Amino acid sequence: EVQLQQSGAELRKPGTSVKLSCKVSGYNFRNTYMHWVNQRPGKGLEWIGRIDPANGNTIYVEKFKSKATLTADTSSNTAYMQLSQLKSDDTAIYFCAMQSGSFFDYWGQGVMVTVSS
Amino acid sequence: EIVFTQSPTTMTASPGEKVTITCRASSSVSYMHWYQQKPGASPKPWIYETSKLASGVPDRFSGSGSGTSYSLTINNMEAEDAATYYCQQWNYPKYTFGAGTKLELK
Repeated sequence: EVQLQQSGAELRKPGTSVKLSCKVSGYNFRNTYMHWVNQRPGKGLEWIGRIDPANGNTIYVEKFKSKATLTADTSSNTAYMQLSQLKSDDTAIYFCAMQSGSFFDYWGQGVMVTVSS
Repeated sequence: EIVFTQSPTTMTASPGEKVTITCRASSSVSYMHWYQQKPGASPKPWIYETSKLASGVPDRFSGSGSGTSYSLTINNMEAEDAATYYCQQWNYPKYTFGAGTKLELK
């Protein structure tokens, strides 16, 4: 059974950073693309970017290029996203999602990041 | 940049009713994926590559379309179908989600 297990909820002050994790089990991590998607309170889904764990190649949507950094550790089958210079507008649920074919076939449970002073 | 317009934004349907949700692209795309999300839960893949049902999706759901217009249809709405549905497409260099359609049970 494929599972994506995300780290727990985070509370951060403005200007700080946070690193989220997403551990994949039940699938060959190297044969995936790992994506990150956010959802602000009451809003829709927004794609942030993806990483190819096999080689570390990344693609980001333009607005997150200076905000998010995606990494992957193939030894632990874990994808990471670091968000920097946090602002209240970054308060959202962040999902990781795994792509083994053409779509996002498995999703993590999501992690709530709250940015508040 | 391709823009996706999903409609309607919200809708209500009675049990047994036929429901159609549409996603239109500003330029032609080769396929569309759809996801279902219920409150407090992660999105689930629902229909992929325009018309293929994801694992566990009831066959009252179907997907169709081509070019700039794609749709998700439910034949015989059931209570469990109440959710928000998002279309999604890959257009290098990014993925784009539609704004979502909230489907409620009447």
